[in-house]
Amino acid sequence: EADIYQTPRYLVIGTGKKITLECSQTMGHDKMYWYQQDPGMELHLIHYSYGVNSTEKGDLSSESTVSRIRTEHFPLTLESARPSHTSQYLCASIAGGSYTEAFFGQGTRLTVV
Amino acid sequence: GNSVTQMEGPVTLSEEAFLTINCTYTATGYPSLFWYVQYPGEGLQLLLKATKADDKGSNKGFEATYRKETTSFHLEKGSVQVSDSAVYFCAHNSGGSNYKLTFGKGTLLTVNP
Repeated sequence: EADIYQTPRYLVIGTGKKITLECSQTMGHDKMYWYQQDPGMELHLIHYSYGVNSTEKGDLSSESTVSRIRTEHFPLTLESARPSHTSQYLCASIAGGSYTEAFFGQGTRLTVV
Repeated sequence: GNSVTQMEGPVTLSEEAFLTINCTYTATGYPSLFWYVQYPGEGLQLLLKATKADDKGSNKGFEATYRKETTSFHLEKGSVQVSDSAVYFCAHNSGGSNYKLTFGKGTLLTVNP
């Protein structure tokens, strides 16, 4: 079983609020990722990190930001939530090496009202 | 560039029917190939993988064979169960210095009793 955790699982919040989605893993993985999953199920990479103090934007433009101060922790922040941010957010990590698989958290279902 | 094309759904089958979900890919180098499954309200779980040509990945009755000549990795199961109802994603990791997984758009499978 994968040791990667996301909190909260569900969040309903008002427009304009600042929110942070938490992602932690206990596997010591260097590489971590945030995906946004649209209602049609497609996954879109929005941020990734290859190690401490390394963050990059993904393929889909996002108003969110991320930080990587510790190897095990990769939080995602929205400074001012909007209804367009309503989505499922999935965090993942990879052990490294070319042929290893990603491990996913259970996701955070965000609803902005 | 890197891409994954998988059969569009939704797919609806009766219990004990045969399942095939087609997946083809484009990648630089020699990618590892993966099938992930997402049950309702959950994150993605690795279902099976193959790391080199002609490898067969298998798990829980599902199988897929890495076909380099046709750049394909089709998922099959001989007899599906209601509990197999989920979204299935084909993916690859092209390795090298690029540790980003490339996903297909997902295929929703519904199995009726």
